[in-house]
Amino acid sequence: GAGVSQTPSNKVTEKGKYVELRCDPISGHTALYWYRQSLGQGPEFLIYFQGTGAADDSGLPNDRFFAVRPEGSVSTLKIQRTERGDSAVYLCASSSRPRGSSYNSPLHFGNGTRLTVT
Amino acid sequence: AQTVTQSQPEMSVQEAETVTLSCTYDTSENNYYLFWYKQPPSRQMILVIRQEAYKQQNATENRFSVNFQKAAKSFSLKISDSQLGDTAMYFCAFMTASGSRLTFGEGTQLTVNP
Repeated sequence: GAGVSQTPSNKVTEKGKYVELRCDPISGHTALYWYRQSLGQGPEFLIYFQGTGAADDSGLPNDRFFAVRPEGSVSTLKIQRTERGDSAVYLCASSSRPRGSSYNSPLHFGNGTRLTVT
Repeated sequence: AQTVTQSQPEMSVQEAETVTLSCTYDTSENNYYLFWYKQPPSRQMILVIRQEAYKQQNATENRFSVNFQKAAKSFSLKISDSQLGDTAMYFCAFMTASGSRLTFGEGTQLTVNP
């Protein structure tokens, strides 16, 4: 597809369970970002990948959150032992920002995954 | 650390009229970017307009324009000839020139009334 694709669109899980959220960026985009948007708030940065490596993971709230991008394209955000406070929309974005460069290309966002922890 | 503040949780405007959304920010950086994003119910964040801090000229994209006041750290969005499709949440956002993260404000829900 032409845009950033996130699956599933919605995910309901029980407290304590493990979840994986998937992001397919725009083909050729080397930079990939994850954000979390709680109800009524703006998105908050979680992690930024440049290629396969996490260039900045300082936004991950705790060690229950982990993200990978093994082949430099698709990324998976993994949440262990989910808590009700993890309920939010998880947004993924990608851009063609070259490695080592300053910002010069816009971020393209997906439609997000709405995670509900019951 | 950077902060972005949007003091208007909700705004409404009549179709075809003009509306201005406010945004202020705080940073010690000298080189940075400012953005306005639109988020309709589909949840996708759509870039509306972008401003480089080193440019004095205010950015314009068709019906959308900004009033960038660097000294006052103010970045307002003006929407002219409002259309029903402009109804959405609008977020102001900041990024340092060398940075990797967008810092968003709390958002303003804009409703365009027929």
